[in-house]
Amino acid sequence: AQSVAQPEDQVNVAEGNPLTVKCTYSVSGNPYLFWYVQYPNRGLQFLLKYITGDNLVKGSYGFEAEFNKSQTSFHLKKPSALVSDSALYFCAVKGNTGKLIFGQGTTLQVKP
Amino acid sequence: DGGITQSPKYLFRKEGQNVTLSCEQNLNHDAMYWYRQDPGQGLRLIYYSQIVNDFQKGDIAEGYSVSREKKESFPLTVTSAQKNPTAFYLCASSTERGYTGELFFGEGSRLTVL
Repeated sequence: AQSVAQPEDQVNVAEGNPLTVKCTYSVSGNPYLFWYVQYPNRGLQFLLKYITGDNLVKGSYGFEAEFNKSQTSFHLKKPSALVSDSALYFCAVKGNTGKLIFGQGTTLQVKP
Repeated sequence: DGGITQSPKYLFRKEGQNVTLSCEQNLNHDAMYWYRQDPGQGLRLIYYSQIVNDFQKGDIAEGYSVSREKKESFPLTVTSAQKNPTAFYLCASSTERGYTGELFFGEGSRLTVL
């Protein structure tokens, strides 16, 4: 079955520390992977995507994600967190039916 | 500026009433989508349209209807047949039909059934 899992409902990190938001997926074939961010009562904003090529993808606002085929993971990372990074983060994968499958979301809380 | 406009932002409905949520885009995108967001459940696809005058059901289409008469517009009607309509509804569009490109989202419409 095709799916996306974000194993952590919430991630807490201190400002200035590195952050990681985890995502694993299950689809057959080569995956198309995405990260989106959502601020309260707003729509989602695209951060980055992996289609093919370099396993380390750089995106908006200093975020990057590492594609790991053997572990079927696509973790979101940032070297130094900001309080303004606090938001809800969604991982998504293009499924075998061609539709986008979203994870349940991870709340990132960055404390000063 | 180009973007997606959803209206209204907040909507209250009595049980048994149909309501229509508006979604307009000026990005010249072919593909448009409606998602429903519930706490802790991520986004679920209601309907999508890859071209004018054509649309397909998503994963949770029951109780909803859409139309795509113009490229810019993709309204969603929440009918009285939808058993649990209270949710946050998100409209999105994409320039690419195959989900290889990014989705552009509107600001959402929050529907509450009283």
